[in-house]
Amino acid sequence: LAKTTQPISMDSYEGQEVNITCSHNNIATNDYITWYQQFPSQGPRFIIQGYKTKVTNEVASLFIPADRKSSTLSLPRVSLSDTAVYYCLVAAGANNLFFGTGTRLTVIP
Amino acid sequence: DAMVIQNPRYQVTQFGKPVTLSCSQTLNHNVMYWYQQKSSQAPKLLFHYYDKDFNNEADTPDNFQSRRPNTSFCFLDIRSPGLGDAAMYLCATSRDVARRADTQYFGPGTRLTVL
Repeated sequence: LAKTTQPISMDSYEGQEVNITCSHNNIATNDYITWYQQFPSQGPRFIIQGYKTKVTNEVASLFIPADRKSSTLSLPRVSLSDTAVYYCLVAAGANNLFFGTGTRLTVIP
Repeated sequence: DAMVIQNPRYQVTQFGKPVTLSCSQTLNHNVMYWYQQKSSQAPKLLFHYYDKDFNNEADTPDNFQSRRPNTSFCFLDIRSPGLGDAAMYLCATSRDVARRADTQYFGPGTRLTVL
């Protein structure tokens, strides 16, 4: 049973805001929601993490509704260099560390 | 810069010939992970070490073994590589698995080709 579900791919024009939603209906009380970015032939890189409500850092925002059954990664004003695969990971520590299918974002000039 | 280093970046081996992949870290993290990532797929956790404590995922084949001689180094041994083991192997670290919000830091990966 997949723990997370994401759209397989998304396209966006440069300068637009991109929202990628992840569904995690079976999230456990102790689970945190973490998003990673991966470029071809590189390891994933941490973007943002949250438990509930909203988290913002210098590169992204993460919106988590009260029921925590989904989360949305928001990338403001994307550029060509944001073209990558984005993974939503729901886990507590090293328990059940399953990366979902990921969303392949393509930014178009 | 503190980082996770994987050597080699590219490894070619023959079918059935044992191969060892190496990972080192300068972050002084307690936890080290090994993932397998096949083309166009998500990373799949093989096992992790919390300090010297080895934790194997239930579906990791016996063909895959790991060693962690000290805090800084961790090795992935593939005893008899098959064609299906061709993949990118990613090493990651995190400070402490007991912390619920534990960020993982990934190395660049080793791409394994099996001939």
